[in-house]
Amino acid sequence: DGGITQSPKYLFRKEGQNVTLSCEQNLNHDAMYWYRQDPGQGLRLIYYSQIVNDFQKGDIAEGYSVSREKKESFPLTVTSAQKNPTAFYLCASSREFSGRATPEQFFGPGTRLTVL
Amino acid sequence: KNEVEQSPQNLTAQEGEFITINCSYSVGISALHWLQQHPGGGIVSLFMLSSGKKKHGRLIATINIQEKHSSLHITASHPRDSAVYICAVRDNYGQNFVFGPGTRLSVLP
Repeated sequence: DGGITQSPKYLFRKEGQNVTLSCEQNLNHDAMYWYRQDPGQGLRLIYYSQIVNDFQKGDIAEGYSVSREKKESFPLTVTSAQKNPTAFYLCASSREFSGRATPEQFFGPGTRLTVL
Repeated sequence: KNEVEQSPQNLTAQEGEFITINCSYSVGISALHWLQQHPGGGIVSLFMLSSGKKKHGRLIATINIQEKHSSLHITASHPRDSAVYICAVRDNYGQNFVFGPGTRLSVLP
């Protein structure tokens, strides 16, 4: 079955530690996205990548880093510089944005990160 | 930047009721996406539309481009429809979506 997987589902981190969230897709999608969701707020874009070895900052990239070495994988690192990292993190993917038809986004199950 | 608002914020309904969730946005868009987020957090795409109306089962989505407004309707609601419904828009110039805060729906048996 095609889809997006994220691991782990729950993650606990001590203050000052970096942590990496995994996102893998087997949909053969070119574009991948990382979002952060906080209670009562809409999803906010952290980083996105439209092609392997290239990525762009979203609206709230500070304190986060990503890599896109393979088409299937787009891991997100939450660094110690992120002042308020406790949140629900969602990964998504889509076909390439062609400028005409808007491709639908498909979401992973999410990772809930708690900083202790 | 596009601002996306949804109403109501929370909605409780009895099983069988007809439900309407609204989404409004501030600038012209190229596409609008309705999503459903289950209690466990997973998000499922319901509709992507840029004009008119789409129907899938008991769900209907409409969009009025001139009024910058979209509605999601659920007919014959069921407790399994309980979820957060999220509206997201892509404007005419951006490549990414802007998301609304969501509407939390509870359908009671």
